[in-house]
Amino acid sequence: GESVGLHLPTLSVQEGDNSIINCAYSNSASDYFIWYKQESGKGPQFIIDIRSNMDKRQGQRVTVLLNKTVKHLSLQIAATQPGDSAVYFCAENISGDDKIIFGKGTRLHILP
Amino acid sequence: DVKVTQSSRYLVKRTGEKVFLECVQDMDHENMFWYRQDPGLGLRLIYFSYDVKMKEKGDIPEGYSVSREKKERFSLILESASTNQTSMYLCASSLRRDSNQPQHFGDGTRLSIL
Repeated sequence: GESVGLHLPTLSVQEGDNSIINCAYSNSASDYFIWYKQESGKGPQFIIDIRSNMDKRQGQRVTVLLNKTVKHLSLQIAATQPGDSAVYFCAENISGDDKIIFGKGTRLHILP
Repeated sequence: DVKVTQSSRYLVKRTGEKVFLECVQDMDHENMFWYRQDPGLGLRLIYFSYDVKMKEKGDIPEGYSVSREKKERFSLILESASTNQTSMYLCASSLRRDSNQPQHFGDGTRLSIL
């Protein structure tokens, strides 16, 4: 089965609220994590990444949190906008391995 | 910004045809990847390459081959297309091996095999 998974396949959030998308990973050797956004008809777009020596990393309106103790990753989107509607994937990688393991994705739906 | 360009957005072919999907990246990346994306199955790695003329099998290489004659171009070949190869095909590239860098994706080719 997938070593990277998601707790919810669909998340509905009111416009202007914060969104939190969760991801669990099972390989404790993974040391690099990435979040992607995929809009309809497009390829996955890199949002933010984090290495295992960090617990938190912030970008523009997005924050990724890494909890290595429970092997959990989350993506927080502040002040969610209609343009944030997409499928969000987490992915994990082990240093030295060229391959990235992708989760199946969470669809974020923005309510007006 | 990294630009990964896939030659076709939509392609319709017939069973048994030989199909070529082309991908070009403009950032001098060493690694290139081909995935297919199917509902409920997520992204599955078909083949990847970390250097010119080098290739490695991914998780589902059967029925596919690849070619990397130049660093910027990575081609996926369906030797004899079958209906179960109808899918969205995504190409990606990343900087180099062992670099902890994200993969950057093209916008995909939606391939239908009739």
